[in-house]
Amino acid sequence: GAGVSQTPSNKVTEKGKYVELRCDPISGHTALYWYRQSLGQGPEFLIYFQGTGAADDSGLPNDRFFAVRPEGSVSTLKIQRTERGDSAVYLCASSARTESGANVLTFGAGSRLTVL
Amino acid sequence: DQQVKQNSPSLSVQEGRISILNCDYTNSMFDYFLWYKKYPAEGPTFLISISSIKDKNEDGRFTVFLNKSAKHLSLHIVPSQPGDSAVYFCAAMGFGNEKLTFGTGTRLTIIP
Repeated sequence: GAGVSQTPSNKVTEKGKYVELRCDPISGHTALYWYRQSLGQGPEFLIYFQGTGAADDSGLPNDRFFAVRPEGSVSTLKIQRTERGDSAVYLCASSARTESGANVLTFGAGSRLTVL
Repeated sequence: DQQVKQNSPSLSVQEGRISILNCDYTNSMFDYFLWYKKYPAEGPTFLISISSIKDKNEDGRFTVFLNKSAKHLSLHIVPSQPGDSAVYFCAAMGFGNEKLTFGTGTRLTIIP
């Protein structure tokens, strides 16, 4: 597709439930990122994939969070035993470098997760 | 530890005037700086970037200035237009490090 697509756009769940958020990146972009944005904050890095492998997962807050990208395209962010503090907008991005070398991320519209 | 800081949570500017958004950083290893703009219910969209080897980059109404010694950058928008009303995020990355570190954002409101 033309842009980064994220589903669902909104997810309301109960504390303790399992959630999956999906990201479909821009065709041809090998790098894929997950960020989380809480109210009043900037996007916070969670994990970055180069191809199928997680190149940097240092931002995952704990072992309840896991992400996969089995075929190097679509990625799924999985959250187990959700807590109210997990409520946020989860942003996915894919990237290509500019001529200057900057790594420009193109973001999807995000998946808003609300844990009741 | 907030490595990228945007100390003004909001800014209001008259239409047609210059908007100046500021950003400070603490990590001297950052090599590229980017500005993103975000409308409600949308993801951030890339505006303009600057490499640490430059002190200015211009793209139409948008200019980014970098002062490495002060670890400070700013985004100038001139003339400001109502469609510029959005939240602006400053972001930074280090050479060879693929992740962006974002500031907390500044909400810009352009007053017609």
